[in-house]
Amino acid sequence: DGGITQSPKYLFRKEGQNVTLSCEQNLNHDAMYWYRQDPGQGLRLIYYSQIVNDFQKGDIAEGYSVSREKKESFPLTVTSAQKNPTAFYLCASSIAWTGEQETQYFGPGTRLLVL
Amino acid sequence: KQEVTQIPAALSVPEGENLVLNCSFTDSAIYNLQWFRQDPGKGLTSLLLIQSSQREQTSGRLNASLDKSSGRSTLYIAASQPGDSATYLCAVKAGGFKTIFGAGTRLFVKA
Repeated sequence: DGGITQSPKYLFRKEGQNVTLSCEQNLNHDAMYWYRQDPGQGLRLIYYSQIVNDFQKGDIAEGYSVSREKKESFPLTVTSAQKNPTAFYLCASSIAWTGEQETQYFGPGTRLLVL
Repeated sequence: KQEVTQIPAALSVPEGENLVLNCSFTDSAIYNLQWFRQDPGKGLTSLLLIQSSQREQTSGRLNASLDKSSGRSTLYIAASQPGDSATYLCAVKAGGFKTIFGAGTRLFVKA
């Protein structure tokens, strides 16, 4: 059963703590993305990766870090430097650049809350 | 800088009504435009993708149109049902790996 999984569904962070959100895909996609969604706003790109061992900053990368050691996995770490981390985090993947036909497939999301 | 706007932000209609959701974008240099559905607390599901060279796409009761010259797209939902209640997001694929999303229209279909 192909798809994207994210865990955990809910995550609580204490002040000063780093937390890591998991994203795994078995679609054999080269590209993976992390987005942040806040109420009443569109999705904003945090980081993306086009290929294993390579990733690029998106529009709001400050306070976040990622790694791409395996094609299937793209974990996101929310560091203590991110002062307003409460949001809904979505992971997505797509086949490597296919121009007009490219579509992204999304995971179910992780809601991060600050204690 | 590409910006995507969706109007209205929220919409409530009685069951059975036909409805139109609007999406506008500021830069016509796009590769494709996509409509997604998002249920509360869930991820996004792709509904329709219109390539830059296309004018419209249809799937069941859904029809999406694209007018690049005016920077507009519409999503038409025929004979709405309570199960259509969700947030609908429009997204434009610009250069490189960037996809720009609108804030969405929250739809509520009353039984």
